[in-house]
Amino acid sequence: NAGVTQTPKFQVLKTGQSMTLQCAQDMNHEYMSWYRQDPGMGLRLIHYSVGAGITDQGEVPNGYNVSRSTTEDFPLRLLSAAPSQTSVYFCASSYGGESEQYFGPGTRLTVT
Amino acid sequence: GQQLNQSPQSMFIQEGEDVSMNCTSSSIFNTWLWYKQEPGEGPVLLIALYKAGELTSNGRLTAQFGITRKDSFLNISASIPSDVGIYFCAISSGSARQLTFGSGTQLTVLP
Repeated sequence: NAGVTQTPKFQVLKTGQSMTLQCAQDMNHEYMSWYRQDPGMGLRLIHYSVGAGITDQGEVPNGYNVSRSTTEDFPLRLLSAAPSQTSVYFCASSYGGESEQYFGPGTRLTVT
Repeated sequence: GQQLNQSPQSMFIQEGEDVSMNCTSSSIFNTWLWYKQEPGEGPVLLIALYKAGELTSNGRLTAQFGITRKDSFLNISASIPSDVGIYFCAISSGSARQLTFGSGTQLTVLP
């Protein structure tokens, strides 16, 4: 199993541009989540999903959209990038009802 | 939202020394987890705790779920260079078992 994969690894955007961060998992996990990590801080939850077609907001959802059309994929969309969205983004997945989440390697995003 | 206070923020220790870090919260939680993050990687789960008072080991790592359910600590014995990284505590809550993370403890092991 590849586990949780994320693409791209690095990305630079200009303010106002849009892009999609990709996340996929091959463990048949029901739950998937997106976190952002800023210097000196722990990871903060952006959006999460408990199954295909079901998404919900986390602690810091503003400026991000998600959808979950399949069990395997959970893309994160930035519609109009802002410098405040410069961060490292992590995707995670887990079996339904379990707390133990497995993280991808991250996407480092810089918005200029 | 929930807030976790993790300390210390950073530690510089000699190889072979023992390490202790802890996390506290103002609320009661039923699950505490400890993760380690190495540079350029995502967090990796070290230990999960589900019962107040529970003491769990994973090799040289030992973690405890506080009896009040408001705290947890992680000990690393006989540190080695590969222990370097950021250690995060986290709690799980909500119907989707969402994670809330502490701010992390940056561990440096000096040879």
